Amino acid sequence: RKEVEQDPGPFNVPEGATVAFNCTYSNSASQSFFWYRQDCRKEPKLLMSVYSSGNEDGRFTAQLNRASQYISLLIRDSKLSDSATYLCVANTGNQFYFGTGTSLTVIP
Amino acid sequence: GAVVSQHPSRVICKSGTSVKIECRSLDFQATTMFWYRQFPKKSLMLMATSNEGSKATYEQGVEKDKFLINHASLTLSTLTVTSAHPEDSSFYICSARGTAEKLFFGSGTQLSVL
Repeated sequence: RKEVEQDPGPFNVPEGATVAFNCTYSNSASQSFFWYRQDCRKEPKLLMSVYSSGNEDGRFTAQLNRASQYISLLIRDSKLSDSATYLCVANTGNQFYFGTGTSLTVIP
Repeated sequence: GAVVSQHPSRVICKSGTSVKIECRSLDFQATTMFWYRQFPKKSLMLMATSNEGSKATYEQGVEKDKFLINHASLTLSTLTVTSAHPEDSSFYICSARGTAEKLFFGSGTQLSVL
């Protein structure tokens, strides 16, 4: 079983839509979680950390559910510029485990 | 925020040559760095974990004699692709663990072996 499982999509949504990505992790000892964004042929860039209390950054909301071992990312009012691959990451000890990434395309 | 610099950004070389890629943490010390490769439209694949002052830990299926990793200082790790062949053509990315357990990435190196 993979450390981090993520629906690869693709998700194709119209501008202005709300879209949610989920990700599950297998190791209950994982201590920190993140969402990264990766554009084509570019390096992943940190989008936001994920906390149990939930955190919001503008149109982006991330949530961690430790009991069910999943993390989520909600994007409201999607923009064309949100088109990218979104990676969830779990940090366990000295290792970072990546999901396969979820592809999002926002359509005009 | 933390900055990780990776050079070169693009390499085109002949089959059989060796290519060295550098990864530097510019404003923080990184005891651990990670090396990945990524094929087009595929996910990141961890190749190895590089620890300052000790041998790298390679993932299963990654040849340590093919992909030499050196992490001689707290700010520099290098990946050398030895005797590169066309099948080694890929996007190679390094990352370093910064503050608050966050991971910061270099800008990647696109390797094309002819």
